Amino acid sequence: GAVVSQHPSWVICKSGTSVKIECRSLDFQATTMFWYRQFPKQSLMLMATSNEGSKATYEQGVEKDKFLINHASLTLSTLTVTSAHPEDSSFYICSASSESLWLEQYFGPGTRLTVT
Amino acid sequence: GNSVTQMEGPVTLSEEAFLTINCTYTATGYPSLFWYVQYPGEGLQLLLKATKADDKGSNKGFEATYRKETTSFHLEKGSVQVSDSAVYFCALLSGYSTLTFGKGTMLLVSP
Repeated sequence: GAVVSQHPSWVICKSGTSVKIECRSLDFQATTMFWYRQFPKQSLMLMATSNEGSKATYEQGVEKDKFLINHASLTLSTLTVTSAHPEDSSFYICSASSESLWLEQYFGPGTRLTVT
Repeated sequence: GNSVTQMEGPVTLSEEAFLTINCTYTATGYPSLFWYVQYPGEGLQLLLKATKADDKGSNKGFEATYRKETTSFHLEKGSVQVSDSAVYFCALLSGYSTLTFGKGTMLLVSP
């Protein structure tokens, strides 16, 4: 149980375009979803926390107009990287938690974004 | 604030060697402690956890004991395999805060 999926698993896009990454909780209702960014050989950096039906809370230094997060339902959150640039290339990982699961976070498999 | 410190890697071992990856933490209250594993190109998988002092988490031969007196949660395995090669993250969750991760420790096991 407590499975989280991400789609796509990898994506290549051209500079200036936008790309959307989906995060789904498959067998539970996620009241909170988290988006992380991971640079090569580094730890996870929390970008934002989103609760279903409300605006995401962004961490300091994360541009909310560039990284649009939508948490429209209890099983789906999306991260849209707008006007992507090569420096946005990274590994993006989502996680989901629920009060019914003692707030433990379950992680998706990650999405590798490459901006050319 | 909360913080997690874990030993820097890479840790290089031969197959069947004993593994220890140190992790210490600073937190308010009584956090839950976790070890996550990340295989190359993949997301994080929960390896084990402990929610209160003196609890021992265990999974797949790995163990870690929640030591409140030393604020530690060291990861151990008696006999590592090549397939254990991965990056290991220690993390804590305190109250309704977000997860706080250590920087990760890469483990490389050679045959």
